[in-house]
Amino acid sequence: EIVLTQSPGTLSLSPGERATLSCRASQSLTGRYLTWYQQKPGQAPRLLIYGASNRATGIPDRFSGSGSGTDFTLTISRLEPEDFAVYYCQHYGISWYIFGQGTKLEIK
Amino acid sequence: QVQLVESGGGLVKPGGSLRLSCAASGFPLSDYYMNWIRQAPGKGLEWIANSSGGDSNRDYADSVKGRFTISRDNAKNSLYLQMNSLRAEDTAVYYCARGANLDHWGQGTLVTVSS
Repeated sequence: EIVLTQSPGTLSLSPGERATLSCRASQSLTGRYLTWYQQKPGQAPRLLIYGASNRATGIPDRFSGSGSGTDFTLTISRLEPEDFAVYYCQHYGISWYIFGQGTKLEIK
Repeated sequence: QVQLVESGGGLVKPGGSLRLSCAASGFPLSDYYMNWIRQAPGKGLEWIANSSGGDSNRDYADSVKGRFTISRDNAKNSLYLQMNSLRAEDTAVYYCARGANLDHWGQGTLVTVSS
């Protein structure tokens, strides 16, 4: 069973700074099926990045995804106030989905 | 535009049953895998079930296998989750989400299992 481990658990930054969030898989992910979601309090998650590096419709270009194999990264180039939220990575196989435990991005 | 609206949540006693619905609009349900994902209070996301477009294939997380059943009515553009033998640990917000990439989510419906 694949496990996704996100780090750090909490990231404290200021608006305008660069955020780098990590997602590490316990074994190599085939097909780069790695997805990132953003969730704000009281809201449903929102798709940000799919296929490790493809931005979803309407997602600003300050969000970017990279990585392959076991190591993946979500980068937010310049933080806006609305970017402070919890971020989840996720991988899906033939008949299952696995989520990471989340990284909380908070205002410093 | 794409919209997913869950309903059917509420308070139920341990061992009880509940049926959730997800009304889809803005796209033909039959064209998409559909998923149920849940989130316990203050916790992360857990995928629990999905159904292929024609409903010929259904998969479940081990945590709900044998207790929950996913189904759909493509003519009504609706997805369902029948939940039986509910436990306290099933308490969560339940979301339906579209497709392999979970590109659209509903607002969620809260299920509370408590005596």
